[in-house]
Amino acid sequence: DAKTTQPNSMESNEEEPVHLPCNHSTISGTDYIHWYRQLPSQGPEYVIHGLTSNVNNRMASLAIAEDRKSSTLILHRATLRDAAVYYCILSLGQTGANNLFFGTGTRLTVIP
Amino acid sequence: DTEVTQTPKHLVMGMTNKKSLKCEQHMGHRAMYWYKQKAKKPPELMFVYSYEKLSINESVPSRFSPECPNSSLLNLHLHALQPEDSALYLCASSPPTGTYGYTFGSGTRLTVV
Repeated sequence: DAKTTQPNSMESNEEEPVHLPCNHSTISGTDYIHWYRQLPSQGPEYVIHGLTSNVNNRMASLAIAEDRKSSTLILHRATLRDAAVYYCILSLGQTGANNLFFGTGTRLTVIP
Repeated sequence: DTEVTQTPKHLVMGMTNKKSLKCEQHMGHRAMYWYKQKAKKPPELMFVYSYEKLSINESVPSRFSPECPNSSLLNLHLHALQPEDSALYLCASSPPTGTYGYTFGSGTRLTVV
C-alpha cells in the first residue's frame, strides 16, 4: 500500500487558515486521497477526499498537486473544535471494500 | 440514520473470559471494518467484510473472531485475550463500491486484566 508522510504536529491561531501538508510520492493512478480527523476520545471522522481535482466541502478544501505526489488540506478558519489528529490516507479506487491504512497523522493544536 | 453504533462503550475482561463487541449501522453500507487503536497511535486495520463475507484478515491472532450475521451487524468475539490487547476497538462502514468515506463508530474501550 502506498504510504503518506505528514508532519507530526502543527499549531494554528484561532480563526486563521490552516494548511496541513501530506506527501504521497508513491501514489498510483487509482489511489484516492482521503483525509480523516480524530478528536480526543472519538472515532475518526471523514473530512474530504479526491482523486485529481481540488475539492471543496463544508468542512474543508483539498488541494492536490498536479503530479499527485502531494496534497494539502485547508481549513479556512480554524476553531478550537478543529483541534484533532488529521490523517492523510490513500485508498484504492476500485470496486469492493476500500481499505484505509492510517499513517501517523498530524496533531493540530489551535491556539485561542 | 447516519451513525455507526458500537456497544459496549467500555469493557473490562479477564484473560479467561469470553466477550463480544457489537457494531451496528443502518445506512445500507455493505462494507464493514474492525480497527484496533492503541493510545497515541493510529488505527490499525484488523478485518474487512464486504457483502457479509470476510475479505481481509490483517494477520490478526485467532483469539479475535469476527462475525457478520447480516448487512447491518458486525461482531468481534474475544477469547483468551492478553493485557496487551487492551485498546480502543473501532468499527467502521462504507459503501462497498466507489471511493466513499468511511463512517466510524466512537469505539469500545477494552481493558484486559
